[in-house]
Amino acid sequence: QAQLEQSGAELRRPGASVKVSCKASGYTFDSYGISWVRQAPGQGFEWMGWISTYNGDTQFAQKFQDRVTLTRDTSTSTVHMELRSLTSDDTAVYYCARGGRSLPYDYWGQGILVTVSS
Amino acid sequence: EIVMTQTPATLSLSPGERATISCRASESFSTNLAWYQQKPGQAPRLLIYGASTRANDIPARFSGSGSGTEVTLTISSLQSEDFAVYYCQQYHKWPLTFGGGTKVEIK
Repeated sequence: QAQLEQSGAELRRPGASVKVSCKASGYTFDSYGISWVRQAPGQGFEWMGWISTYNGDTQFAQKFQDRVTLTRDTSTSTVHMELRSLTSDDTAVYYCARGGRSLPYDYWGQGILVTVSS
Repeated sequence: EIVMTQTPATLSLSPGERATISCRASESFSTNLAWYQQKPGQAPRLLIYGASTRANDIPARFSGSGSGTEVTLTISSLQSEDFAVYYCQQYHKWPLTFGGGTKVEIK
């Protein structure tokens, strides 16, 4: 059974950065890309970006292009997402999900609450 | 980007009733359309992909139809565990985009 396990909740000051992780298990890591999606409190979903776990290629939503970095570590089957220059508007639950273009999100991580507050 | 417009925003129904949720796109997504269910405090769960194929372990009362720019999710007879928020998503073209969600609440 595939599983995505995300790192724990984070608290950051405005202007700081946060790096969170998503560890995959139960399937061949480099066979499926990983997407990141966030959900602000009481809101819908906002797609942030995607990484190919096979070759590291990435795609980003335009609004996150300059602030997000996605990396993968094939030795540990883990994807990392770094978001920089945080503001209070970045307070949200961040999910990783298996899938991308032409593939639905069939497995999701449990979500990470990132709180940005002074 | 493909803008997904989901209607209605809220659906107030009783158990046993039929729920119909629509999703319209600003351009074609072919059949690369998924529906997700989210309950409070939980990650979303994939219900339907390819616009009409039920995901693993999804009950037959959930069905999806449509293609191109319009799709519909139908829950034939609402059970207590179906009261939740539902989202459509196109995975046809970058950036991937979601509808705004439909809350199915108990009347």
